[in-house]
Amino acid sequence: AQKVTQAQTEISVVEKEDVTLDCVYETRDTTYYLFWYKQPPSGELVFLIRRNSFDEQNEISGRYSWNFQKSTSSFNFTITASQVVDSAVYFCALSEYPQGGSEKLVFGKGTKLTVNP
Amino acid sequence: DTAVSQTPKYLVTQMGNDKSIKCEQNLGHDTMYWYKQDSKKFLKIMFSYNNKELIINETVPNRFSPKSPDKAHLNLHINSLELGDSAVYFCASRRGGGTDTQYFGPGTRLTVL
Repeated sequence: AQKVTQAQTEISVVEKEDVTLDCVYETRDTTYYLFWYKQPPSGELVFLIRRNSFDEQNEISGRYSWNFQKSTSSFNFTITASQVVDSAVYFCALSEYPQGGSEKLVFGKGTKLTVNP
Repeated sequence: DTAVSQTPKYLVTQMGNDKSIKCEQNLGHDTMYWYKQDSKKFLKIMFSYNNKELIINETVPNRFSPKSPDKAHLNLHINSLELGDSAVYFCASRRGGGTDTQYFGPGTRLTVL
């Protein structure tokens, strides 16, 4: 079965520091998708990125960047020059395709990031 | 023009009661989901519907009954509420026919007293 591990339960940094959130996954599928979602204190789940298993190119979006390495089954997320507004719980997720069913997401347990002023 | 909406946002009720949570999406998506987030923030899928048809049922107690009157709506009815049902329930939707991103509603915080 699919599994997503976010080993860092909580991280605390000072504003402007760079921070990397780790995500390691397990799957037997050859085609799969990886996701990151952000859950700010207000509670909603905000989609950040989707990456398919055939695309190992790193992605950068503003202060956010993602490093996908199939060799280590990792999909890490880096925030550069962190800001207080980045404080949230971040979830890594993996798509799973049950036989006869539609895609479902398997989530990691989340990493709570606190950015202090 | 909210993409995925849920009502109510908060629900406080007594044990043993029956309650419903409603979800609507205006994205034209074919597939809708219910996820449960427990007190430790762990997110787990409960149900998935594709074009009003139940596709995924993740061994959820049969006190939980989803209903999809049309592909834009997926409601969750819960009978005989228990303390352990207290959680945040998220609705999500995505375009069918392949893989795509799931977009989540704002969540409904259910508290059972």
